[in-house]
Amino acid sequence: GEDVEQSLFLSVREGDSSVINCTYTDSSSTYLYWYKQEPGAGLQLLTYIFSNMDMKQDQRLTVLLNKKDKHLSLRIADTQTGDSAIYFCAEQRGGYNKLIFGAGTRLAVHP
Amino acid sequence: EAQVTQNPRYLITVTGKKLTVTCSQNMNHEYMSWYRQDPGLGLRQIYYSMNVEVTDKGDVPEGYKVSRKEKRNFPLILESPSPNQTSLYFCASSSPTGGASKNIQYFGAGTRLSVL
Repeated sequence: GEDVEQSLFLSVREGDSSVINCTYTDSSSTYLYWYKQEPGAGLQLLTYIFSNMDMKQDQRLTVLLNKKDKHLSLRIADTQTGDSAIYFCAEQRGGYNKLIFGAGTRLAVHP
Repeated sequence: EAQVTQNPRYLITVTGKKLTVTCSQNMNHEYMSWYRQDPGLGLRQIYYSMNVEVTDKGDVPEGYKVSRKEKRNFPLILESPSPNQTSLYFCASSSPTGGASKNIQYFGAGTRLSVL
């Protein structure tokens, strides 16, 4: 289909790892992104991965890309209450300007 | 400080009353976009601009207009707002970097619009 799909909600315990999954649509997409939206704020880029990579690690964040299955995941190690937010994946499809966003996954971190 | 500024942050209006949401960026970015965010639908692009006086439709342009007379400003105009335009609106800017041109967008804080 046309949509970038994400599960809508994830709840984790503080200190555990969180894994947020995303399925995108176009195998020729060049870059894939993860954005974070905190309450009352705009989206901020967390990380991105180029389509010829399988994995990217940045401190507590690990991005895994399975191009064959068009599956992207974001793992947050040692999840903290400050990680509570909505996480959007986005694919850059068909050119510089064409970004397609998923509906967002709301991550709730509880003690 | 690099930023994208939208005004107003909150707006309640009535059907048919023209309104403008302003957007300004201080990063000298060529590209600017408007998105709307609706529950369960993520962000959908309304219009974008590649530079001054160059604009094009995104995925949901109906009922909206834009203009880009200066590089830093990209206002969103609703000539005759309707209740189905009640939404959270985001402006974003970006600039192509490097050969493969990743599109890292910088977002404003959002404008929550209610059309009664």
